[in-house]
Amino acid sequence: NAGVTQTPKFQVLKTGQSMTLQCAQDMNHEYMSWYRQDPGMGLRLIHYSVGAGITDQGEVPNGYNVSRSTTEDFPLRLLSAAPSQTSVYFCASSSGRRNIQYFGAGTRLSVL
Amino acid sequence: GESVGLHLPTLSVQEGDNSIINCAYSNSASDYFIWYKQESGKGPQFIIDIRSNMDKRQGQRVTVLLNKTVKHLSLQIAATQPGDSAVYFCAENRGSRYGGSQGNLIFGKGTKLSVKP
Repeated sequence: NAGVTQTPKFQVLKTGQSMTLQCAQDMNHEYMSWYRQDPGMGLRLIHYSVGAGITDQGEVPNGYNVSRSTTEDFPLRLLSAAPSQTSVYFCASSSGRRNIQYFGAGTRLSVL
Repeated sequence: GESVGLHLPTLSVQEGDNSIINCAYSNSASDYFIWYKQESGKGPQFIIDIRSNMDKRQGQRVTVLLNKTVKHLSLQIAATQPGDSAVYFCAENRGSRYGGSQGNLIFGKGTKLSVKP
């Protein structure tokens, strides 16, 4: 039972480069979200999706794009990486009456 | 602004003692709360949740208490073990503009629990 899978686990980028963080879940969850975690800041919501084709902004969306073409996948795109985007990124998914979000293991991103 | 926060950033307890981790929230309309545990290098892991129509909920060695009058949550861990060492987050369900039970979680900054052998 894979749950929520994030790739890559680690990534180093140069300022201005673009990349996509991948997130896939095999639980048929309709809700998926992306968070970033910085030291002393807890987790902050970047973007979320309530189902295929429906996405919306969270608390800190600037510099990130998302799309949801399938129920399983919710990639996060950095169009032009900046040092301020150095962080640990977590993807989560949930479903049902209770909003228990299940998290992936995270992607550790450094932007130089 | 509205936020979910914690009273103590760090907590050190002796193995076998009980631990209490506190959390304050400011949105009186919040109706659902979750506690997560995050071990070093891993993603947050669900521990226990509680709805606002309850004051107390118990799980295996954990209890969550909700005091809506003062907008306060606590997580109690009985007979704390070394494996309980982690950062603990409370999260508040803010919903989404699309409605439904699924929605956006607002996390507090976390409390680091250290268990001394």
